[in-house]
Amino acid sequence: GEQVEQLPSILRVQEGSSASINCTYENSASNYFPWYKQEPGENPKLIIDIRSNMERKQTQGLIVLLDKKAKRFSLHITDTQPGDSAMYFCAASGGGTQVVGQLTFGRGTRLQVYA
Amino acid sequence: NSKVIQTPRYLVKGQGQKAKMRCIPEKGHPVVFWYQQNKNNEFKFLINFQNQEVLQQIDMTEKRFSAECPSNSPCSLEIQSSEAGDSALYLCASSLSPGFTEVFFGKGTRLTVV
Repeated sequence: GEQVEQLPSILRVQEGSSASINCTYENSASNYFPWYKQEPGENPKLIIDIRSNMERKQTQGLIVLLDKKAKRFSLHITDTQPGDSAMYFCAASGGGTQVVGQLTFGRGTRLQVYA
Repeated sequence: NSKVIQTPRYLVKGQGQKAKMRCIPEKGHPVVFWYQQNKNNEFKFLINFQNQEVLQQIDMTEKRFSAECPSNSPCSLEIQSSEAGDSALYLCASSLSPGFTEVFFGKGTRLTVV
């Protein structure tokens, strides 16, 4: 199967600064790495993803990096705003003996952006 | 807004009762997943299928959980005999293919077993 570790569990940053969340995975066959944002009482929303044929992807203030050798991927939120406060989850899926398409999630990071 | 529609949003059942929740996947998405998110925000995969066929389900779901996706009807997840430990947020998700592609979640059904 797959296991995904996510750190930190809680992250407090000042408005306007950057926030970084790191995840590691075990299965070298994993090939798809999405990030979800979940606000209280809401569903997880896909905010950005990266596939194994890429090392970097950027969209609207979000950057994801993938290091396949180290089996590590990360999310960087630039110029954080109060609206970025939420739970963030990384996930991994892909080949090997995993259930086809099953996402294995990290335990989440609670991001708090303060003024 | 999520295009995966789940009903009901909240469900309260007594221990031993059946609990049934429904999901309409995003239009055109043949793959449906069910996940359980517990109070610690941990996700647990339960079952997934493509069109009407079950692809895989975990051991827990083989015993008390069942799911189906009949054609032209909502998908459903049913717990035959609810236990206190089943209290959680049940999330349905859909995608275009079983892997390597975006997975979109509904708002979930929050089950409370009293």
